[in-house]
Amino acid sequence: QVQLQESGPGLVKPSETLSLVCTVSGGSITSTTYNWGWMRQPPGKGLEWIGSFDYNEVIYYNPSLSSRLTISIDTSKNEFSLKVTSVTAADTAVYYCGRLPWGYFDILIGSYTRPFSYMDVWGKGTTVTVSS
Amino acid sequence: SYELTQPPSVSVSPGHTVTISCSGDALANQYSFWYQQKPGQAPVLVIFKDNKRASGIPERFSGANSGTTVTLTISGVQAEDEADYYCQSADNSGSYSRVIFGGGTKLTV
Repeated sequence: QVQLQESGPGLVKPSETLSLVCTVSGGSITSTTYNWGWMRQPPGKGLEWIGSFDYNEVIYYNPSLSSRLTISIDTSKNEFSLKVTSVTAADTAVYYCGRLPWGYFDILIGSYTRPFSYMDVWGKGTTVTVSS
Repeated sequence: SYELTQPPSVSVSPGHTVTISCSGDALANQYSFWYQQKPGQAPVLVIFKDNKRASGIPERFSGANSGTTVTLTISGVQAEDEADYYCQSADNSGSYSRVIFGGGTKLTV
């Protein structure tokens, strides 16, 4: 059974870079069936997609954050990482990594269009606080 | 702000049925997904592709899609169902698919 574990500093200073690693066990991040990615949840607020990548290592970022994001992939270690630069208090959140099954909405009519993905396995999450 | 709209809270008595709605233009052309999140825990997938129950989810959970509004229904609600529920879909209006969420609904039993 696949498991994911986030790791990284729990406290980051404003304007610095937040760095997290997601280690995957029980499954391979090179699987063609799944994307892999990051979500976050600020205290008392809802969920936000940060970014994901597919088996071709094509990375998709949330446009609202993309200028500050880097997702890196290390298939030899079966892990992937997240970097968020120039952090502010608004980046304080629980960060989750997870596995995302994917598909095409129109596949039933024979068209490979309107892709979707969703997170079926979540890591436990790691709290990152941005504060001086 | 969130691209899908959910009521902030709903309440229900044990044993009764509750429906949580989620609306947004993206839902007309995409599947919906629902997550349950209890305090201090990671979200858990409840429903995928509008109406399919995830592994281990009780039959009392069901989902439906009627255009730009989708619903999660819990029949015979139990105390353990008290949680936050989030809907999710995909926005294909740009150059690639984006994962989008509703703001969440707090279910009080």
